[in-house]
Amino acid sequence: AQKVTQAQTEISVVEKEDVTLDCVYETRDTTYYLFWYKQPPSGELVFLIRRNSFDEQNEISGRYSWNFQKSTSSFNFTITASQVVDSAVYFCALSGGTDSWGKLQFGAGTQVVVTP
Amino acid sequence: GAVVSQHPSWVICKSGTSVKIECRSLDFQATTMFWYRQFPKQSLMLMATSNEGSKATYEQGVEKDKFLINHASLTLSTLTVTSAHPEDSSFYICSATGLADTDTQYFGPGTRLTVL
Repeated sequence: AQKVTQAQTEISVVEKEDVTLDCVYETRDTTYYLFWYKQPPSGELVFLIRRNSFDEQNEISGRYSWNFQKSTSSFNFTITASQVVDSAVYFCALSGGTDSWGKLQFGAGTQVVVTP
Repeated sequence: GAVVSQHPSWVICKSGTSVKIECRSLDFQATTMFWYRQFPKQSLMLMATSNEGSKATYEQGVEKDKFLINHASLTLSTLTVTSAHPEDSSFYICSATGLADTDTQYFGPGTRLTVL
């Protein structure tokens, strides 16, 4: 069975601080995808990144960066120099496996609150 | 690119009535669409997966006679909540994957259903 754990329920930071969101996953599949989505107060989920299981390169996109480590089954997400607009719930998700390919297993989400 | 719309964005109805929610892919052909339900402060729960022209596949515990899903074209899927009751009140979100990218789900803005 697949499982995604986001142990941090809520993180509060002051603007310009860095914030790291943890994501730990469990799967028996060798081929899978990992995702991060942002859900602002409006409710729409915004796709941030997709990583396949064979690509462990870290990625940076502007103030966002992701650290994928298969050895620890983790796919952590860092927001550098946070801004108020980063306030949202962030979900880590996993897809893969013959029976569930394409289906997303979401973590519980981490609420990020950035105050001015 | 990869824009998904939902209509209506919110709906209030009386108990016992049926409500239809539309999900459209605006700039791509959606081979597969997914319907989720999200309760306040919780993660997304997959209800069903639909492929164009075929019957939807429902997740365990989801009543297919209550949540009717139709995926009539490559750009439109509908979810009908039949004989709605207050416990059906929730945030319903659809997502879609396309021909060009079958592995990433793009989400609609969601529909907030309130049943009185």
